[in-house]
Amino acid sequence: KAGVTQTPRYLIKTRGQQVTLSCSPISGHRSVSWYQQTPGQGLQFLFEYFSETQRNKGNFPGRFSGRQFSNSRSEMNVSTLELGDSALYLCASSPTPIKETQYFGPGTRLLVL
Amino acid sequence: SQQGEEDPQALSIQEGENATMNCSYKTSINNLQWYRQNSGRGLVHLILIRSNEREKHSGRLRVTLDTSKKSSSLLITASRAADTASYFCATDDDKIIFGKGTRLHILP
Repeated sequence: KAGVTQTPRYLIKTRGQQVTLSCSPISGHRSVSWYQQTPGQGLQFLFEYFSETQRNKGNFPGRFSGRQFSNSRSEMNVSTLELGDSALYLCASSPTPIKETQYFGPGTRLLVL
Repeated sequence: SQQGEEDPQALSIQEGENATMNCSYKTSINNLQWYRQNSGRGLVHLILIRSNEREKHSGRLRVTLDTSKKSSSLLITASRAADTASYFCATDDDKIIFGKGTRLHILP
């Protein structure tokens, strides 16, 4: 089976712009979670989607949003980018709502200038 | 706030030595997982230990769990250069919460 794929792998944006990141889970996995990783805050949970419904949301402002499609692919969007949004954004998938093993993609590295 | 807190934050050891990392957490859990992350890449699941288990082995990895102390340890025996990575514990609290990780560096 192909692993979790994320596109794009690298992205440079300027403050105030918006960005959309994409994640394709492992075939058959219906749960997709997103994480933000920064040197200062570590890995922080953004949200989890299961069967097109958001199950859980982390403590992030409303500028961060996401969605999941019927084929389980997921996108996350960040509007009005701030310098502090520069981070590695990781997507993970699992067959069922996350409680156990997650399979991570390689991440999208976002740099906001 | 982070549920899992790894200790130490960084660890350097000679190749061949054993490496021990610890994780403390705050609330009751169903399971605890350890992941590895090579520099700037995605995380790889290493091992899961359930709340009713005290010890688990996988190859050179040994994980212990003490629910009374809300702590877990990951032991990597006979370390290799390829073990250089960051190691994270993660607990389930309706969502998976990761600690900030231990950066392990294996010296040749």
